[in-house]
Amino acid sequence: SQTIHQWPATLVQPVGSPLSLECTVEGTSNPNLYWYRQAAGRGLQLLFYSVGIGQISSEVPQNLSASRPQDRQFILSSKKLLLSDSGFYLCAWRAPATGGGYTFGSGTRLTVV
Amino acid sequence: SQQGEEDPQALSIQEGENATMNCSYKTSINNLQWYRQNSGRGLVHLILIRSNEREKHSGRLRVTLDTSKKSSSLLITASRAADTASYFCATSSGGYNKLIFGAGTRLAVHP
Repeated sequence: SQTIHQWPATLVQPVGSPLSLECTVEGTSNPNLYWYRQAAGRGLQLLFYSVGIGQISSEVPQNLSASRPQDRQFILSSKKLLLSDSGFYLCAWRAPATGGGYTFGSGTRLTVV
Repeated sequence: SQQGEEDPQALSIQEGENATMNCSYKTSINNLQWYRQNSGRGLVHLILIRSNEREKHSGRLRVTLDTSKKSSSLLITASRAADTASYFCATSSGGYNKLIFGAGTRLAVHP
């Protein structure tokens, strides 16, 4: 069966420090991968999506970047965190060429101090 | 940018009552999906309704879609305390079927 792993669950980082959040999917090949951010009490904002290795599309200009070095690995990064980067980050996957539902990871709560 | 807008923002009901949440969107869609999020957790996919469907059922869930009004509703019948969560609608559109989420409805079901 397919599973999605996202870590760490919580992270407190100082302003100006780098960031690396990792997401991996098991049990499927060539998934579509997504990074979302959720501000407190709000909906989800799509940050990046990827339909294949090395293929990254950015939805909003920001201080973050994404990479997909392997088929089932999706990484969210920043060189220097800002206070406004705080939030709940969620990774998700979906089988390609379908309009079906997404499967979400358990999320990472990032607090930039 | 947000596509779906849920209404109401918050809903408080007693166990056994029905809960209805509404969602409106702005552009044409391939499908509309509803998700549930327990506090501080990831989202769980509940149900998907395609643009050519008008109603769909799954257990105690009933979803309707009116593409002429660009709106959808989620009905949870015979609610339970365990249904307490935030519920989000999300629209899928475009070639890559990206999901765009609304701000959600916070449902509280009191025993």
